[in-house]
Amino acid sequence: SQTIHQWPATLVQPVGSPLSLECTVEGTSNPNLYWYRQAAGRGLQLLFYSVGIGQISSEVPQNLSASRPQDRQFILSSKKLLLSDSGFYLCAWSPKPGNTEAFFGQGTRLTVV
Amino acid sequence: QKEVEQDPGPLSVPEGAIVSLNCTYSNSAFQYFMWYRQYSRKGPELLMYTYSSGNKEDGRFTAQVDKSSKYISLFIRDSQPSDSATYLCAMSGGYGGSQGNLIFGKGTKLSVKP
Repeated sequence: SQTIHQWPATLVQPVGSPLSLECTVEGTSNPNLYWYRQAAGRGLQLLFYSVGIGQISSEVPQNLSASRPQDRQFILSSKKLLLSDSGFYLCAWSPKPGNTEAFFGQGTRLTVV
Repeated sequence: QKEVEQDPGPLSVPEGAIVSLNCTYSNSAFQYFMWYRQYSRKGPELLMYTYSSGNKEDGRFTAQVDKSSKYISLFIRDSQPSDSATYLCAMSGGYGGSQGNLIFGKGTKLSVKP
């Protein structure tokens, strides 16, 4: 069966510090991968999605970037965090061709102080 | 008009009640419809997945899709306190690329009182 791992579960970082969140998927190959941010009252916002290694699409301009160095690994990064980057970050995967259903990790609650 | 509308609640019901959760949408290209359950501080969990119109039943949960009305529902029978969570609807056209990405409702917060 497929599983998705996302870590860390919680993170407190000072403004201006770098960020790296990692997500890995097991039990499937060549998945579509997604990073979402969830803010209270605003629902799920798609940040990045990837259909393959090195292929990243950004949905919204922001202070964050994503990379996919391996087939089942997806990384969310920032060089310098802003207060507005605080939120609940979720990684998800879906089988090809994608967008029929998505399976989520447990999320990372990021607080920028 | 937003693509997907979902009443945020909160919805509070007594244990054993039948719960009805709903979403409306505007994009007639949507063909795949999902319901997710999200407990506090956890990632969303896929609960029901339906393609096109019709009903799908899984235990106490029934998902209905009415494409002619652009309306989907999730029914929970014999609700339990463990059903207390936020329920998110999601839908897509099912094809690749950004045009096919899942569109989520904002979620309805449900509380089932013992």
